Amino acid sequence: QVQLVESGGAVVQSGRSLRLSCAASGFNFGGYGIHWVRQAPGKGLEWVAHIWYDGSDDSYTDSVKGRFTISRDNSRNTLYLEMTSLRADDTAVYYCARGNYGNYAWSDAFDVWGQGTMVTVTS
Amino acid sequence: QSALTQPASVSGSPGQSITISCTGTSSDIGVYDAVSWYQQHPGKAPKLMIYDVNNRPSGVSNRFSGSKSGNTASLTISGLQAEDEADYYCSSYTTTRTPLFGGGTKLTVL
Repeated sequence: QVQLVESGGAVVQSGRSLRLSCAASGFNFGGYGIHWVRQAPGKGLEWVAHIWYDGSDDSYTDSVKGRFTISRDNSRNTLYLEMTSLRADDTAVYYCARGNYGNYAWSDAFDVWGQGTMVTVTS
Repeated sequence: QSALTQPASVSGSPGQSITISCTGTSSDIGVYDAVSWYQQHPGKAPKLMIYDVNNRPSGVSNRFSGSKSGNTASLTISGLQAEDEADYYCSSYTTTRTPLFGGGTKLTVL
């Protein structure tokens, strides 16, 4: 079945780095843009980053620009999020989500979600 | 950019209809028909309920419908059922061509 599975979440100290992975199965991974969305404990959803289906372009929310890098390996059906200079306010469950539909070439709805992976940043 | 504005909570009795509003600006909801809605049960991943303002993905009940007027989008749930109790989030693309979520609304079925 169509599935996204995140991994790599951990407890890390402030200022350190961490890489998250998102393994896709059941669909043509290379045909879809993929997003990272996070949710701090007890809080709402926050969009983090997006990468185009072929990796040709990406975008980030302002708070992670210059610290996080989204990438993908279509041969391995895997998405990554490299996180550096981690801060306490990066503590959250990180979801990967498939982009689909969209009235515009650059817009998506998130139609498939992983189960999430928890990142905790301690001071 | 600030989150889209949603009521913190709404409630309704089984069988009733409820509407959740999502207010943005002329830089997001007001300019693009790129609004989507998500349902999230506790401890679970979000689920897409509505995309592009008023479209339902396959498998989503037709009790869920979406609309938009000006800078405000709305999600209506008719024939409320106990299983509809969850958090609901709206999302819209902005003039920066990135998505923005609402703060979320907790729906309680009385």
